[in-house]
Amino acid sequence: DTAVSQTPKYLVTQMGNDKSIKCEQNLGHDTMYWYKQDSKKFLKIMFSYNNKELIINETVPNRFSPKSPDKAHLNLHINSLELGDSAVYFCASSPRDSSGCTFGSGTRLTVV
Amino acid sequence: GESVGLHLPTLSVQEGDNSIINCAYSNSASDYFIWYKQESGKGPQFIIDIRSNMDKRQGQRVTVLLNKTVKHLSLQIAATQPGDSAVYFCAENIAGGSYIPTFGRGTSLIVHP
Repeated sequence: DTAVSQTPKYLVTQMGNDKSIKCEQNLGHDTMYWYKQDSKKFLKIMFSYNNKELIINETVPNRFSPKSPDKAHLNLHINSLELGDSAVYFCASSPRDSSGCTFGSGTRLTVV
Repeated sequence: GESVGLHLPTLSVQEGDNSIINCAYSNSASDYFIWYKQESGKGPQFIIDIRSNMDKRQGQRVTVLLNKTVKHLSLQIAATQPGDSAVYFCAENIAGGSYIPTFGRGTSLIVHP
């Protein structure tokens, strides 16, 4: 009974393609996030959604766009993929008054 | 931005020893701090948290210490076990209604049997 699930787990694609990563949480949390983790394990927040409103976007290229059809889902769309987009992307969620985030298991994106 | 060529800090300990992982945070307005453990191939997992009105909090085999004067946080793991081997992150949250955790660099803990 996975709390935060993201698909696919692995994604290999060519430069220039458009791809999506899906995320769903069944915890009833108010806020969902997307993080990017590079090869040096540095975790950088990309987006945060609270009740379907974008509340933070940290200098992420506009090729990346989050889409939230409802409170339980936050998908990540990436257009015109570049080599530098290769990383592990984590979805997470937290309650409004936060007792920490619950993370998904990650999607390893490789752009070739 | 990140520094090119900077390796992940590593702490190597023997099984049974106590481990101390340190973290410096930058924003004096941060009022909520969390430690996460990330095992290989998995997402970060919540370990313990502490709010700024406390300076110490204990969990099962773990203790977090907060020194607001020098903006320093530490995670102490008692009787470290091989299963504790992972990358540990501290995260700071800034008050304001929406908790947006900002992660520190991470420390790799290696426990030798």
